Amino acid sequence: QSVLTQPPSASGTPGQRVTISCSGSTSNIGGNSVNWYQQLPGAAPNLLIYANDQRPSGVPDRFSGSKSGTSASLAISGLQSEDEAYYYCAVWDDSLNGLWVFGGGTKLTVL
Amino acid sequence: QVQLVQSGAEVKKPGASVKVSCKASGYTFSKYAMHWVRQAPGQRLEWMGWINAGNDDTKYSQKFQGRVTITRDTSASTAYMELSSLTSEDTAVYFCAREDILVVAAPVVDYHYYYMDVWGKGTAVTVSS
Repeated sequence: QSVLTQPPSASGTPGQRVTISCSGSTSNIGGNSVNWYQQLPGAAPNLLIYANDQRPSGVPDRFSGSKSGTSASLAISGLQSEDEAYYYCAVWDDSLNGLWVFGGGTKLTVL
Repeated sequence: QVQLVQSGAEVKKPGASVKVSCKASGYTFSKYAMHWVRQAPGQRLEWMGWINAGNDDTKYSQKFQGRVTITRDTSASTAYMELSSLTSEDTAVYFCAREDILVVAAPVVDYHYYYMDVWGKGTAVTVSS
């Protein structure tokens, strides 16, 4: 079972807006901030969103994050072919003596 | 620019240990913490532990407690992750990742937001007899 639940897949056509959800609990998302990563095949994760809704410099404003209660979302607008990748949410979990947990990942396909 | 360069791929026999290095450049090594995260083939990312490069404090995931040791050499700006008693289930790519903190001032207590901002390219570890 996973601590953070993401849909395994998502898809959209170029120019569309897609959202990816991340569902957790009071011990993780409910009490801590969420980060999002993009991972291309065979590559390291790349930070997309931190502190729920902050974008690092260099990340296009097409990417946005939000959090409400024990869930978080990543939205990608103006979808581009280069956005095809895996997306992971990450958050600190206060249970089990504390640890970082990651979602199961969502494979985004640009049709 | 900030870079984390990891050591090369390893092949180990079951029961052996592996030590992976992560050399940092482009920033003051001792001012940031370093995390280790692994990813087995087709699986999610899995956090293993963390070291405060400044004061040598460490914290490990309970799953790896007793089997993992994270150390650092500030003179070499390098962090290390050693995993012992390897089994085939430890076959994975191991990443180091720097931790950054966003501090937001507030009237009573400041908010601290933690995130892993720069990652190494990963080190593939294969455990096979």
